[in-house]
Amino acid sequence: AAGVIQSPRHLIKEKRETATLKCYPIPRHDTVYWYQQGPGQDPQFLISFYEKMQSDKGSIPDRFSAQQFSDYHSELNMSSLELGDSALYFCASSSPPGTSGGHNEQFFGPGTRLTVL
Amino acid sequence: KQEVTQIPAALSVPEGENLVLNCSFTDSAIYNLQWFRQDPGKGLTSLLLIQSSQREQTSGRLNASLDKSSGRSTLYIAASQPGDSATYLCAVGSYNTDKLIFGTGTRLQVFP
Repeated sequence: AAGVIQSPRHLIKEKRETATLKCYPIPRHDTVYWYQQGPGQDPQFLISFYEKMQSDKGSIPDRFSAQQFSDYHSELNMSSLELGDSALYFCASSSPPGTSGGHNEQFFGPGTRLTVL
Repeated sequence: KQEVTQIPAALSVPEGENLVLNCSFTDSAIYNLQWFRQDPGKGLTSLLLIQSSQREQTSGRLNASLDKSSGRSTLYIAASQPGDSATYLCAVGSYNTDKLIFGTGTRLQVFP
């Protein structure tokens, strides 16, 4: 079965550089989520998109922005990178939300490991 | 504010044992709860999803239960194998928010 695809898998950047992470959701999934997992920590929610519109926002720094495109893939843009941005960045996707205000099972990609030197 | 904790933080057992991993959450107004497996430096594999209206879910040797009123979920692993060695994370989904709130995880090692 098709899974969530993330690229690149590994990325090394210098401080103050920019980075773009890409996420391709499971076919027919219209909701995309981004999470950040620092070393030894649990994943923290950054932002989500439903039908190309921002749906929810978590602890995402102002230096980061994201969008979802017409084919439902999403990109996370990170500028003025700092050492503390080094982490695993996960994208997840889910099928259309239920009618009760909650959301369906989230399926995670393999992650992009970002190292900032 | 929802807080999710998992105990034990680490567990080392011989192959063949039946295991129970615990997950507690402070706000019982949840929509669903997911259990994940994470191998070192790797992605999150969804193991089981329990909706708030359900009491348990089963998949192979895994069984997850949910007691919303007491704010607890347990993951039961039957006849553990070395290949089960990984970190197990529970995550809670709530109404009117997209985010999953993760627990701190239980690092499991099953030795032959």
